[in-house]
Amino acid sequence: NAGVTQTPKFQVLKTGQSMTLQCAQDMNHEYMSWYRQDPGMGLRLIHYSVGAGITDQGEVPNGYNVSRSTTEDFPLRLLSAAPSQTSVYFCASRDTTGELFFGEGSRLTVL
Amino acid sequence: AQSVTQLGSHVSVSEGALVLLRCNYSSSVPPYLFWYVQYPNQGLQLLLKYTSAATLVKGINGFEAEFKKSETSFHLTKPSAHMSDAAEYFCAVSLQGNNDMRFGAGTRLTVKP
Repeated sequence: NAGVTQTPKFQVLKTGQSMTLQCAQDMNHEYMSWYRQDPGMGLRLIHYSVGAGITDQGEVPNGYNVSRSTTEDFPLRLLSAAPSQTSVYFCASRDTTGELFFGEGSRLTVL
Repeated sequence: AQSVTQLGSHVSVSEGALVLLRCNYSSSVPPYLFWYVQYPNQGLQLLLKYTSAATLVKGINGFEAEFKKSETSFHLTKPSAHMSDAAEYFCAVSLQGNNDMRFGAGTRLTVKP
């Protein structure tokens, strides 16, 4: 069972570089989201999508872009990375009962 | 907006002792409440959830939680800790029809032999 798959698992960037974190799910969930996890702060919602073609901002959207062209995929883009974006990023999809299913995370370091 | 507060960033118990992890929520309408567990270098997985049915919710691995509206609490308990319970635990809240699930800061549980 693949569930939610994130790539890459680890990435090191220099300030100002761009990159895309990939997320795919095979559960046919309409809702997908991106969180960042920082020590002592729990998980904070960056962006979410309730279906293909629909995205919206979460709690901490600045510096990140998303798109949702298919039900399966929900990539997260950093256009100009900053050290403050050093974090662990989690993609999650949600079923109709409200349960979130998480990927294994992507650890990003921005130098 | 809804929010949760987890009391205690670190909890340490002896193997076989009671586990009690505290969570209080803030919500203007009846909430949905969740407990997730995160093992090292892994994503989060659901332990249990409350969605307005029975107030005492049983989850996986022997954990349970009780929704107490009067105390705005959803504390997680397990009668007897096992070494394999060592992990980080997150309480989360969302509202029906709302797409914003808010997480607490997390509680790291250590189990001593």
